[in-house]
Amino acid sequence: GAVVSQHPSWVICKSGTSVKIECRSLDFQATTMFWYRQFPKQSLMLMATSNEGSKATYEQGVEKDKFLINHASLTLSTLTVTSAHPEDSSFYICSALYPGGTGELFFGEGSRLTVL
Amino acid sequence: QKEVEQDPGPLSVPEGAIVSLNCTYSNSAFQYFMWYRQYSRKGPELLMYTYSSGNKEDGRFTAQVDKSSKYISLFIRDSQPSDSATYLCAMSATLSGGYNKLIFGAGTRLAVHP
Repeated sequence: GAVVSQHPSWVICKSGTSVKIECRSLDFQATTMFWYRQFPKQSLMLMATSNEGSKATYEQGVEKDKFLINHASLTLSTLTVTSAHPEDSSFYICSALYPGGTGELFFGEGSRLTVL
Repeated sequence: QKEVEQDPGPLSVPEGAIVSLNCTYSNSAFQYFMWYRQYSRKGPELLMYTYSSGNKEDGRFTAQVDKSSKYISLFIRDSQPSDSATYLCAMSATLSGGYNKLIFGAGTRLAVHP
């Protein structure tokens, strides 16, 4: 299957700092990428849809000023958690929509964020 | 009522058993059905992709979709300890005019013991 790379795989930061997570589609171009948050033993919660060259679409209840998403190229989307707090600690996962209209999503490995 | 219902388990089976994982859904517009496998602290991996009703087989895995009953299944034959993971069903509606987001089930945790 197609490869989506996510970096960093884990990060620890102090409260009040900002953290950037990158999501790259390595072998295909992705016009659309998605960002999810996953709590332990729970399913994926869609945070936002990232479209190349346009503003991200956020799900209800997700603060767009808190979770900044940039999709500057067809292979890269970034999620920046601004002024992180301990409650932002979670597993963040990105996915990229495979082109061709099949609706197949390929996921990154996830990034575990711990805010102290 | 959630759009997609999936029993979270855990489901524990002996090695070699046939595993049946299921999801039910309420939105009759769903046409695309997927199963993902997620190992602990990893991103989900696409296992099976099915469009509309019918069966699809890939090695030890078989996906079934019954749109009339709004019910999908994933069967794993000759289960192995390496199959121990969380299995997520996911589905979406028509893709015309743009992408409709995937709706995920809660995931079923499977443990295959030797």
